[in-house]
Amino acid sequence: GQSLEQPSEVTAVEGAIVQINCTYQTSGFYGLSWYQQHDGGAPTFLSYNALDGLEETGRFSSFLSRSDSYGYLLLQELQMKDSASYFCAVREGAAGGSYIPTFGRGTSLIVHP
Amino acid sequence: DAGVIQSPRHEVTEMGQEVTLRCKPISGHDYLFWYRQTMMRGLELLIYFNNNVPIDDSGMPEDRFSAKMPNASFSTLKIQPSEPRDSAVYFCASGRDTDTQYFGPGTRLTVL
Repeated sequence: GQSLEQPSEVTAVEGAIVQINCTYQTSGFYGLSWYQQHDGGAPTFLSYNALDGLEETGRFSSFLSRSDSYGYLLLQELQMKDSASYFCAVREGAAGGSYIPTFGRGTSLIVHP
Repeated sequence: DAGVIQSPRHEVTEMGQEVTLRCKPISGHDYLFWYRQTMMRGLELLIYFNNNVPIDDSGMPEDRFSAKMPNASFSTLKIQPSEPRDSAVYFCASGRDTDTQYFGPGTRLTVL
């Protein structure tokens, strides 16, 4: 089995930088994904990390440290529209096959003017 | 591409009635997932298919729930009989792999 931990809520001001952390415990790790979900909407894929390091996509970046069982999503130049829930999802690897990612409980990001 | 299509978008029914949710995945995606989301339990995977074959249904809460994928472009999730505790948003997602999933708009189910 596996467990995922991410903060329930993060607040920040417009224009700032915010980091949303995700720590996990798995018996075998394959990759970590991030999804964004606005209120009343569907989750939208943001990024995927399988190897250590930083992946950048515009204002959003995602980082992974496999040795620390830790990843984070970094949002720069925050905008009001970034107010949403952010989910990390971790997939355990398995010999002969791969399991489906398990989603964390999500972090509610509130951006203030 | 139109993205993942789900119907209906909203469903209100009475306890004991049968409910059928429908999903059309993105063309070319081999994986299809059914999720349920509630405030209490978060986003839960119910079942997933690979090439129309159910692979893991361990998340299906009980025998009242069933899912089918008769072809690559259509899947259903059925609840019979429905109960108030089934009230939730049900999402269908598809993908070429399991790590990059594209979610449909969801069906908001209310069982009275």
